[in-house]
Amino acid sequence: EPEVTQTPSHQVTQMGQEVILRCVPISNHLYFYWYRQILGQKVEFLVSFYNNEISEKSEIFDDQFSVERPDGSNFTLKIRSTKLEDSAMYFCASSAQGANSPLHFGNGTRLTVT
Amino acid sequence: AQSVTQLDSQVPVFEEAPVELRCNYSSSVSVYLFWYVQYPNQGLQLLLKYLSGSTLVKGINGFEAEFNKSQTSFHLRKPSVHISDTAEYFCAVSDLKAAGNKLTFGGGTRVLVKP
Repeated sequence: EPEVTQTPSHQVTQMGQEVILRCVPISNHLYFYWYRQILGQKVEFLVSFYNNEISEKSEIFDDQFSVERPDGSNFTLKIRSTKLEDSAMYFCASSAQGANSPLHFGNGTRLTVT
Repeated sequence: AQSVTQLDSQVPVFEEAPVELRCNYSSSVSVYLFWYVQYPNQGLQLLLKYLSGSTLVKGINGFEAEFNKSQTSFHLRKPSVHISDTAEYFCAVSDLKAAGNKLTFGGGTRVLVKP
């Protein structure tokens, strides 16, 4: 069964540094997402991406965050200047269609900001 | 806006016993409902979903859930659990009319199956 893959599995970075989290969604999917889970808290929606543009974003997704689909396969999340509170597990997901189409999640990237 | 409440943060259960994980939601619009499972060091995997039709939904690994609109609940059940069901379970909703699939998650219920 096709999978969403995320790299790296664990990223450690210093506060103020830029970090790029990478994801390869399922190849025939059209919608792409980033979610995050701070330790001990709920999984939170960050952003959805469709047709090469952001379709929706949460309040968390401020100017420090950006997403890109640089080629036909990768989907990246960039954090421009990391803060301690950005430490979390970041999940990439993709779906074939919109609201009634289940999300397929990757295994996540654990980001630790020191 | 939607919100999801999972009333139990942890549920210990003996092998072969039944388990029920409770989920209540609130929303001003109609929603789709999902249960996801997260095994250790893995991503979220879809267990089952309710979109429309029969309120009793069957999913993978012997799980089922019942949508109750009047009680705004979507409780997950399994009649007999295995050790391998030890995982964290997340209830989630999405807006019926949203173009994409923005999920709002509950806080999760950690199930520990004991031999």
